Amino acid sequence: ETGVTQSPTHLIKTRGQQVTLRCSSQSGHNTVSWYQQALGQGPQFIFQYYREEENGRGNFPPRFSGLQFPNYSSELNVNALELDDSALYLCASSAQGLQGEQYFGPGTRLTVT
Amino acid sequence: GESVGLHLPTLSVQEGDNSIINCAYSNSASDYFIWYKQESGKGPQFIIDIRSNMDKRQGQRVTVLLNKTVKHLSLQIAATQPGDSAVYFCAENYAGGTSYGKLTFGQGTILTVHP
Repeated sequence: ETGVTQSPTHLIKTRGQQVTLRCSSQSGHNTVSWYQQALGQGPQFIFQYYREEENGRGNFPPRFSGLQFPNYSSELNVNALELDDSALYLCASSAQGLQGEQYFGPGTRLTVT
Repeated sequence: GESVGLHLPTLSVQEGDNSIINCAYSNSASDYFIWYKQESGKGPQFIIDIRSNMDKRQGQRVTVLLNKTVKHLSLQIAATQPGDSAVYFCAENYAGGTSYGKLTFGQGTILTVHP
């Protein structure tokens, strides 16, 4: 069974740029959630995708957007990057649209300069 | 709003001791709770979960206790090993009639196990 994978591992961007992060869900999982984890903090929910549609959103501005593909993989896009966007971005997959065990990938470390 | 907090930000124990990590949550309507372990440079790793209709659940070397009266969650690790050293997060889920699970995490407790 393949676990959750994310790419890239690390990324450095300049303020104002755009970034796309990718996630492949665990085999058999149809739901992907994205979280932002600032240094020394717990992860914060950004949004969730189920059956290729956004299925819930946390307190993040519209410049954070996402996609889910038919194979359940997902992308997180962030436009107009700000310094405060520097964080570890985590993807978690689960097996159903309802609450269930969420399994996390290793994350993408984004640094905005 | 919803929040999950931890009583102790750091915990140091000797190898072989039992460890107890505590967590307070504020949303009495939360119906699902998870403990995660996060090692440096890695994503959170699922340890154990518990639903609100239970007050205790046991896994391998770990036990989670839920006290809904005082909105308190704890993780007990038996015979703690150096490999247990990590940051531990509790997370709560309140679907609120929606169809999705949104986890709300606390800030974490750093567990250090000394050989």
